[in-house]
Amino acid sequence: KNEVEQSPQNLTAQEGEFITINCSYSVGISALHWLQQHPGGGIVSLFMLSSGKKKHGRLIATINIQEKHSSLHITASHPRDSAVYICAVSPLTGTASKLTFGTGTRLQVTL
Amino acid sequence: GAGVSQSPSNKVTEKGKDVELRCDPISGHTALYWYRQSLGQGLEFLIYFQGNSAPDKSGLPSDRFSAERTGGSVSTLTIQRTQQEDSAVYLCASSLTVGYNEQFFGPGTRLTVL
Repeated sequence: KNEVEQSPQNLTAQEGEFITINCSYSVGISALHWLQQHPGGGIVSLFMLSSGKKKHGRLIATINIQEKHSSLHITASHPRDSAVYICAVSPLTGTASKLTFGTGTRLQVTL
Repeated sequence: GAGVSQSPSNKVTEKGKDVELRCDPISGHTALYWYRQSLGQGLEFLIYFQGNSAPDKSGLPSDRFSAERTGGSVSTLTIQRTQQEDSAVYLCASSLTVGYNEQFFGPGTRLTVL
């Protein structure tokens, strides 16, 4: 079992829909990261959080440390949101900078 | 610089040859990270630097892989005697320092070993 699990693996939504991507992890963490990777493009860090909730534009990230679970929400989705969304965790012990990644959620938003 | 840069963007090499991949981090960032993304697989951590030292080399897949960083800036990832399974996108990232800091990623180097 991977230390970081994401669901769903693939997601298709229509423009305007509310989207939720889930991330569960099995180790103690100091931080959780949400990353975005466009096709053929580089990786952009969306959020880094260790508790509670963060919001940036139409994106919201939440984390529940007790349940070892985080969600990424996209409100009013748009075709330009189509990308792979990756969850990654920084371990609580050992090397905090040694990120462990989920396998990603491929999102396609259609008109 | 404005962001993390990597060179070359693409590298095609023959099995058995050595390759060098370069990463130029954001100016002032003391932490630098190397990751690998293989086709159909997720990202995996290779190595990180704090300044010029690499406290954790456990992610390097084999002793054919090495990395160095000089002057606290540019880093080079070297793969000796390349194998076909080394084909992947190699990504570099930097952050202000290690620990609880956002990482900024470069565009990656796509390595193809024939």
